[in-house]
Amino acid sequence: AIQMTQSPSSLSASVGDRVTITCRASQGIRDDLGWYQQKPGKAPKLLIYAASSLESGVPSRFSGSGSGTDFTLTISSLQPEDFATYYCVQDYNYPWTFGQGTKVEIK
Amino acid sequence: EVQLVESGGGLVQPGGSLRLSCAASGFTFGNYWMNWVRQAPGKGPEWVANIRQDGTEKYYLDSVRGRFTISRDNAKNSLYVQMNSLRAEDTAVYYCVRVSLYNSGTRSALDVWGQGTVVTVSS
Repeated sequence: AIQMTQSPSSLSASVGDRVTITCRASQGIRDDLGWYQQKPGKAPKLLIYAASSLESGVPSRFSGSGSGTDFTLTISSLQPEDFATYYCVQDYNYPWTFGQGTKVEIK
Repeated sequence: EVQLVESGGGLVQPGGSLRLSCAASGFTFGNYWMNWVRQAPGKGPEWVANIRQDGTEKYYLDSVRGRFTISRDNAKNSLYVQMNSLRAEDTAVYYCVRVSLYNSGTRSALDVWGQGTVVTVSS
C-alpha cells in the first residue's frame, strides 16, 4: 500500500498567518490526491481534489500544489474557522490511503 | 439537499457480526461509486471498501477482505456493509462516502460524507 506522510503533525499559528502543510507519497501518484479538513466530532470535508483543484464552495485562501510524490496545501491567510485537522488522501490505487493528519491550532 | 445517513452501528462482541446501512437522498444514487471509510478513536480516517455504480466492481482494504462485504441497492438508494468476524481493531466511526468524478471522469474525490455510525467491538 502507498504510504502518505504528512508534515508537520501539528502546528500553532495566528489568524492571518500563511500556513503550509506537506504530504509525501511513498511512490508516484500523478496528481491523484485530495485534501480534507476535519473538525472535532464532524466528518471530513473535501477542500482540494486532483492535487490543485478547489472544490466548489471552498474559500480561495485554500490552494494545493504538487505532482508525483510531493504535495502542498496552503492556507494564504488563516481564519478562525480554519483551526482543524487536515488530511491528504491518495486515490491513485487501492487501497486508498490517508496521511496521519496535521492539526492546526491557535497560537 | 444531498445527504447520506448511516445506521446500524452499536456494541458487538469480538467475533460477532453487524450490518451497516446508508440511505442516500438528494442525488441520483445509481450514478456514483460509493465507499465506506472508518475512523478509529483518536486516529485518522481509513478507507475500507468501495463499490461501482452497478455493483459489479468492489475493492477492499486487506484487513477486512473476506470479513466485510459491501453491497448496494440502487432501487432503494442504499449502501450496505456486512461485517463478520469483528475484531477490537474494527472499532471506529464508519462513514458512508460518495465519490464524484471530475475532469471528464479522469479524477475523483470523496465529496459527500455522512455523519457516521459508531461501531464498538468489545466483550
